[in-house]
Formats: sequence, C-alpha cells, structure tokens
Amino acid sequence: GAGVSQSPSNKVTEKGKDVELRCDPISGHTALYWYRQSLGQGLEFLIYFQGNSAPDKSGLPSDRFSAERTGGSVSTLTIQRTQQEDSAVYLCASSQTRDRDLAFFGQGTRLTVV
Amino acid sequence: GEDVEQSLFLSVREGDSSVINCTYTDSSSTYLYWYKQEPGAGLQLLTYIFSNMDMKQDQRLTVLLNKKDKHLSLRIADTQTGDSAIYFCALKGSTLGRLYFGRGTQLTVWP
Repeated sequence: GAGVSQSPSNKVTEKGKDVELRCDPISGHTALYWYRQSLGQGLEFLIYFQGNSAPDKSGLPSDRFSAERTGGSVSTLTIQRTQQEDSAVYLCASSQTRDRDLAFFGQGTRLTVV
Repeated sequence: GEDVEQSLFLSVREGDSSVINCTYTDSSSTYLYWYKQEPGAGLQLLTYIFSNMDMKQDQRLTVLLNKKDKHLSLRIADTQTGDSAIYFCALKGSTLGRLYFGRGTQLTVWP
C-alpha cells in the first residue's frame, strides 16, 4: 500500500477483555515498530521486528502484551486482560533498512479501556 | 541503549526563527531524523541528515549536526502558526537496531 495502515482506528473495550491491533506496513519494508503514546506523553517503545531476526521485545510492559509478524508483513499486537492504564494511542511504523531507514508511521489505534 | 534528550517546550512569534535542540549519548546512528506530530495525528517524517554531514537545508528547515558534541538541531525559518506541533528527534543505536526517540518539543507559535 501507499502508507502504513492500522486498524481499527478506534477501539473501546471493557477492562479484562483481550484486544488485537493490526498493522499493515509499507510493502517491502523489512523493519516494523510498535510504540504507544499516552495522553500528553512521548513515545514509549514496545517491540521491533527486523527481517528474520528475533524481535526486540524489550519494551513490552508486561506479559499481557505480545506481538507477531506473519510472513514478514502484517503485524498484530495483542493485549490480554486489558487494564485502564493500557488506554493510549498505539502507533506502528515501518522502514526499509537499505533505503536510509526512513520510518513511516500509521495514524495509530486509539485504545480506550473502560 | 540510547538516551535522547529534548527540551519540552518552545514558544516563538510568527515570522521568527525556531530552533529545537536534541542531544544523544551514542553516535553510531547512520541517519538522524526529525518528526512532526500535529494534534490528534500520527508522526510525520519531516527531514533527516546523514551522519557524515554537518548541515542539511530543505526549504525553511535547516538541520545541524555536531557529532563531537552529540548535538542535533532543527531550525525553522519564518515560523508560521501552522508549524505549531510536537517535534521529535530520533536516531538508531546501530544499523539493525531500533529507533530511539526524544520526548518531543512542543512548539507554540504566537500570531
């Protein structure tokens, strides 16, 4: 596609439910990032996929968070047993390491846990 | 990992120049980047600089890189109210490593 696509754009869920957030990166991009941004805050790194290498999961805040990237393309971020503090905008970005590593972001998924 | 620091707020008058500063702890990043985030929007890649360069100019934007002092700056000439946004600097700790972001500088432009 032309850009990074994230879905849904908005998600309201009840505390304790599981949610899945999807990211479609730019075609051919080998690197994919997940960040989250709480209201008025900076970017918090979550996880980074680079080609076939083991992902950098060092930013995942708890074992309720997991992510996978299937076939080196689409990625899904799963949050189990959601808590109110999980409410944030979840941003995905992708880049091509061989092309100046320019990372482009999607518009994000706004998650609200009630 | 990298530690990337930015001041949190900057206010300027319309028509003045804005300078947003960023310091970092490692210098192995091949490229360094500036992003802009308008209210309610995602991050937009604004410009970048190759680590072997000292300066890059792109219309109203000038990026300065001082590798010795590990200091990156973004100058916006003739700042407009539409430039009001949060500006993030970003760099990588290694070629295949992840991006590190500063906390962002909120630029407010007064008419």
